[in-house]
Parts: sequence; C-alpha cells; structure tokens
Amino acid sequence: AQSVAQPEDQVNVAEGNPLTVKCTYSVSGNPYLFWYVQYPNRGLQFLLKYITGDNLVKGSYGFEAEFNKSQTSFHLKKPSALVSDSALYFCAVLQAGTALIFGKGTTLSVSS
Amino acid sequence: DADVTQTPRNRITKTGKRIMLECSQTKGHDRMYWYRQDPGLGLRLIYYSFDVKDINKGEISDGYSVSRQAQAKFSLSLESAIPNQTALYFCATSDSSLTGNTIYFGEGSWLTVV
Repeated sequence: AQSVAQPEDQVNVAEGNPLTVKCTYSVSGNPYLFWYVQYPNRGLQFLLKYITGDNLVKGSYGFEAEFNKSQTSFHLKKPSALVSDSALYFCAVLQAGTALIFGKGTTLSVSS
Repeated sequence: DADVTQTPRNRITKTGKRIMLECSQTKGHDRMYWYRQDPGLGLRLIYYSFDVKDINKGEISDGYSVSRQAQAKFSLSLESAIPNQTALYFCATSDSSLTGNTIYFGEGSWLTVV
C-alpha cells in the first residue's frame, strides 16, 4: 500500500529565511504526490501536486516542491518564509483507485 | 458560497446517540470522501464514493456508515456514537480525471461525543 511519511512534527524558521518541510513516500508504480496546508479552524487548501514532468513543481503562495525519485522524497520549500505561512502542512499520495493517503502533518512556525 | 458545505459545523452528542454529518458540493464532481482528523494522526479515510452507486470503505470505516443521496450529497452517520469518535470530520470532493484528482475540502465538522 502507498504511504507517506513526514519525519518532523514541527519546523521552526525565522521570517525571511528559507523553509523546507520534508516528505518521503512509498508507492508501487508512478507516484502522484500532493501538498496541502491547513490554517487554524479551517479546512485543507491545495498547494501543489506532482503528476509527471518537471521535478520542481511550483504552487500557491510562493511554495514549490522538489520530486526526487532516487530518494523517494517530495519536500516542500519556500525561499523566504512569512509569518503568515505558519500552519499545518500535509503531504499526501494518491493511492490508485481510491483516495489521497495523508501523512501525519508538520506544524510550521515562522517567527518574526 | 463554499463549494463544499458541511453541516453541522459543530455538534456535541451523547454516547450511544445516532448522529449524521451532511455534505453537499457545487463543484459538479463525481467523487466524494469522508476523512477524520485527529491530532498527531493526520487525516484518515473513512469512506469514499466514486459515483452515486459506488460506496467503498476506507482505512477506518468501523462504527460509521455513509449514504450517497445524489451526486452532490454524501452523508456520514455514526449509528451509536462513542467518545473516541470525537474528532474533526472533513468531507471532500474530486473529479475523476487522473491528472486532475485534486481533492477539495469542506471547512470541517467538529464532533464531540460525551
């Protein structure tokens, strides 16, 4: 079965610094990978996805993610963090024929 | 108006009671899902439906049932609620294209079982 792992429960970064939120995956076949963000008391919002093509995927709010097949990773990145980026971030993989399978989430805290 | 609407947004119910969470969508998607979110556990799939006549169990379907009343409506029922079903529940939708398959979420329904 497909799965994703987010090894960090929390990531702390200072405003203006680059940020990385890590995700590794385990799939059979081609991976379809997603990142979602959840702000307090809100639903999940789609950030970006990798289906095929370029390994660097650009998404909403200046976020991007790098697909690395050899390392089975799909890390979320942003060159310059904002305080408003503070939220809960989920990596997910599409399990063939079913639905998205989510990681446990990583809390991003950006300090001013 | 939200594309994916969940009702109620908050509910407190007693152990043993039946509770229904409703979901409707205006996105015209054929696929609908129910997830449950617990702190530290992420989102776990309860049930999913690829069309009106298709219902499938997810990872944690025990204690839950669903009904797909129409393409736009997908309800989740707890026949006899228990305290460990206290959680944030999300309905979601997606289209059926392989390269699409972006899932859109409702705002969530907080359920507390006392």
